[in-house]
Amino acid sequence: DTGVSQNPRHKITKRGQNVTFRCDPISEHNRLYWYRQTLGQGPEFLTYFQNEAQLEKSRLLSDRFSAERPKGSFSTLEIQRTEQGDSAMYLCASSFGWVANEKLFFGSGTQLSVL
Amino acid sequence: KNQVEQSPQSLIILEGKNCTLQCNYTVSPFSNLRWYKQDTGRGPVSLTIMTFSENTKSNGRYTATLDADTKQSSLHITASQLSDSASYICVVTPANQAGTALIFGKGTTLSVSS
Repeated sequence: DTGVSQNPRHKITKRGQNVTFRCDPISEHNRLYWYRQTLGQGPEFLTYFQNEAQLEKSRLLSDRFSAERPKGSFSTLEIQRTEQGDSAMYLCASSFGWVANEKLFFGSGTQLSVL
Repeated sequence: KNQVEQSPQSLIILEGKNCTLQCNYTVSPFSNLRWYKQDTGRGPVSLTIMTFSENTKSNGRYTATLDADTKQSSLHITASQLSDSASYICVVTPANQAGTALIFGKGTTLSVSS
């Protein structure tokens, strides 16, 4: 499978615990995005990497969220001290080419449930 | 404020019938408009991408149209199949901005029944 891979697919955790998600983009893609999506809503942008550099973070991203992309390959998104409001689908997308018309390839997402 | 509004919110049709989904946007200027299909519990998959100068783009049974003057786009699905049951999301990219600025609609949930 040469698509964007996300793990785990589902995560159930108790409030206050830390969780970490992983995204493996398509190998030749240099741009990587994280989004959050709740039921009945479109995805909301969280953060963006070009290669290993984190170039932009949404104001929605609280200090409890941190993302990394070491060596410009896979990326991880960590949420510390989870809250019930963090329950959502976390989507990763990767792309390459001309920015204005880039085609985003999304992974299947990680569904987080905070109890 | 840049917005993307989709209608209807949900739609139920019989297998084999055609349907049209609407997207109205206030983003101006914009560089492109995209339609994505999202199956339940999966990530969105790109159907079409149209630049501001294009009027129509097809992908199999899916045809997207764009009227930049009225700031409206539609996605027409021909001869619907059960596998078309999904959420369809309209996305607009403001001009001269990167993918971080994509503005997503809330989607239209389509249910195709036999």
